[in-house]
Amino acid sequence: RKEVEQDPGPFNVPEGATVAFNCTYSNSASQSFFWYRQDCRKEPKLLMSVYSSGNEDGRFTAQLNRASQYISLLIRDSKLSDSATYLCVVNRDGGFKTIFGAGTRLFVKA
Amino acid sequence: DGGITQSPKYLFRKEGQNVTLSCEQNLNHDAMYWYRQDPGQGLRLIYYSQIVNDFQKGDIAEGYSVSREKKESFPLTVTSAQKNPTAFYLCASSIQGGNEKLFFGSGTQLSVL
Repeated sequence: RKEVEQDPGPFNVPEGATVAFNCTYSNSASQSFFWYRQDCRKEPKLLMSVYSSGNEDGRFTAQLNRASQYISLLIRDSKLSDSATYLCVVNRDGGFKTIFGAGTRLFVKA
Repeated sequence: DGGITQSPKYLFRKEGQNVTLSCEQNLNHDAMYWYRQDPGQGLRLIYYSQIVNDFQKGDIAEGYSVSREKKESFPLTVTSAQKNPTAFYLCASSIQGGNEKLFFGSGTQLSVL
């Protein structure tokens, strides 16, 4: 079993839809959590950090459930430009152990 | 503009050949990393360095070597011992190597001829 697991998708949604991605992690010692976005054959870029209290950045909302070892990302009012792969990322061991999920592919259609 | 520069963008390796991927940053970051990405898989850590003249093996270091002679530079050599080198290689840096944001270069696609 992988330490960080994501549904690979692809998710195909129309513009304006709301879409949710889930991620689970297996190591309870994990300390910090992130969502990165990666466009095809480009570098990953930080989308947002994930906090236990939940956090929102515009159309994006991230949630963390430490008890269930579960992270989520909600995208509201999807845009064509949201089409990308979304990577769930978990840090432990003081930050040097960074585990990347394989990513969830999103296609937003007009 | 500050950032991380990787070169070349595309690289081809002949059998038995060593090749070196360049990574330079002008962000004044202490920590630098090399990751490998294969299709449908997450990034896997090859090597990382917290300070100059020091580096540590990651999860898949076999067949690779690095150096960190300058803070700005962290080149990766893919040796002939790496039998499956075809992948997308990403260099990253962070301020101090803790639980903070990673900044990535634009990547190098390495293929075997």
